[in-house]
Amino acid sequence: GQNIDQPTEMTATEGAIVQINCTYQTSGFNGLFWYQQHAGEAPTFLSYNVLDGLEEKGRFSSFLSRSKGYSYLLLKELQMKDSASYLCAQMDSNYQLIWGAGTKLIIKP
Amino acid sequence: EADIYQTPRYLVIGTGKKITLECSQTMGHDKMYWYQQDPGMELHLIHYSYGVNSTEKGDLSSESTVSRIRTEHFPLTLESARPSHTSQYLCASSKGDRDTGELFFGEGSRLTVL
Repeated sequence: GQNIDQPTEMTATEGAIVQINCTYQTSGFNGLFWYQQHAGEAPTFLSYNVLDGLEEKGRFSSFLSRSKGYSYLLLKELQMKDSASYLCAQMDSNYQLIWGAGTKLIIKP
Repeated sequence: EADIYQTPRYLVIGTGKKITLECSQTMGHDKMYWYQQDPGMELHLIHYSYGVNSTEKGDLSSESTVSRIRTEHFPLTLESARPSHTSQYLCASSKGDRDTGELFFGEGSRLTVL
């Protein structure tokens, strides 16, 4: 099966920058997604990458390297409300999403 | 803002009961999905639909069934609930554009089976 690997938990300081990495298997790739999920809530869409490079959207940016099977989500100027789980998901050859277990991001004052 | 609704939000029932989790969306999306998620774990696809009268099983083996008689409605039914069914169930929909696949999620139904 296809595996999505991302760190289980990360801690960062308010106002700082954090990078959350994700690796995936390169076969059957049709796009890489990042979602944010606050505790007890449903996931919400953050970004989508299908071509190599960096996509910037406000304080959040997402990067993709298809040859390396690697993506990262970059969060700048961290705010307390950014404390959440960040889910990496790969769209497979059948256009279905394969989800990672998520990275729990803890923001400290 | 996404318009996808799930009921009930929380449900505690006894073993052997039949339950139906409701999901409705008002966005006219063709694709709808049911996911199961345990705390700190990845989402597992249990059922999906690409349109009216279309239903498919996902990757996670499930004893539940779904129906898609109307575009906006995608209920999930457990004929006989067991404690192993205790989990959060998330319904989602998407436009069906295979190039983006952005999903809109409902708030979830948290099921506890005693």
